[in-house]
Amino acid sequence: DQQVKQNSPSLSVQEGRISILNCDYTNSMFDYFLWYKKYPAEGPTFLISISSIKDKNEDGRFTVFLNKSAKHLSLHIVPSQPGDSAVYFCAASYEVFPKLSFGAGTTVTVRA
Amino acid sequence: DAGITQSPRHKVTETGTPVTLRCHQTENHRYMYWYRQDPGHGLRLIHYSYGVKDTDKGEVSDGYSVSRSKTEDFLLTLESATSSQTSVYFCAISDPPLAGSTDTQYFGPGTRLTVL
Repeated sequence: DQQVKQNSPSLSVQEGRISILNCDYTNSMFDYFLWYKKYPAEGPTFLISISSIKDKNEDGRFTVFLNKSAKHLSLHIVPSQPGDSAVYFCAASYEVFPKLSFGAGTTVTVRA
Repeated sequence: DAGITQSPRHKVTETGTPVTLRCHQTENHRYMYWYRQDPGHGLRLIHYSYGVKDTDKGEVSDGYSVSRSKTEDFLLTLESATSSQTSVYFCAISDPPLAGSTDTQYFGPGTRLTVL
């Protein structure tokens, strides 16, 4: 049973606009959440993370929001750029358990 | 990440053949992981290692075995490959999380395995 879900397999956005990627989880023990970005024929690369004690973390154009009561997080990319076209994976972990649970991924396409 | 290499990068094999994939790191990270990536499933953990000769199963470990005799190498073996094991395999590394943190994992470039 998948504990981390990304229900939108794809997202298309115009260059310069905001991209919003969503992720839901079912396990209330998760206390860290991460986003990874993956280009074709490459391994995933770490993008941004957030602890469950926070509700927002920002790094340049990327912001992650966490709503613990709804078991929901989102990744905002502002402004979207052509190089942001990739697959984005949401992942979650326990602090004392070194394993990540991944969502199925969302493919983002940024249109010129 | 230049500190993690996987070999081979591509392999085609036949059903019933044993296959070994290698992950090599130069970062001296303690933890190493093997994942498989399949459409609709994201990345799923096969096995992981938390030190030399210390390994444990992940969520999709059936049909796979691992070995870690040195810090830098983590081997994944398919004893008798099946078509359902056609996938892209990723190795990852991390260090034990500090208190109040999590283990950010760093991934290798992947191995595309096709079992005919």
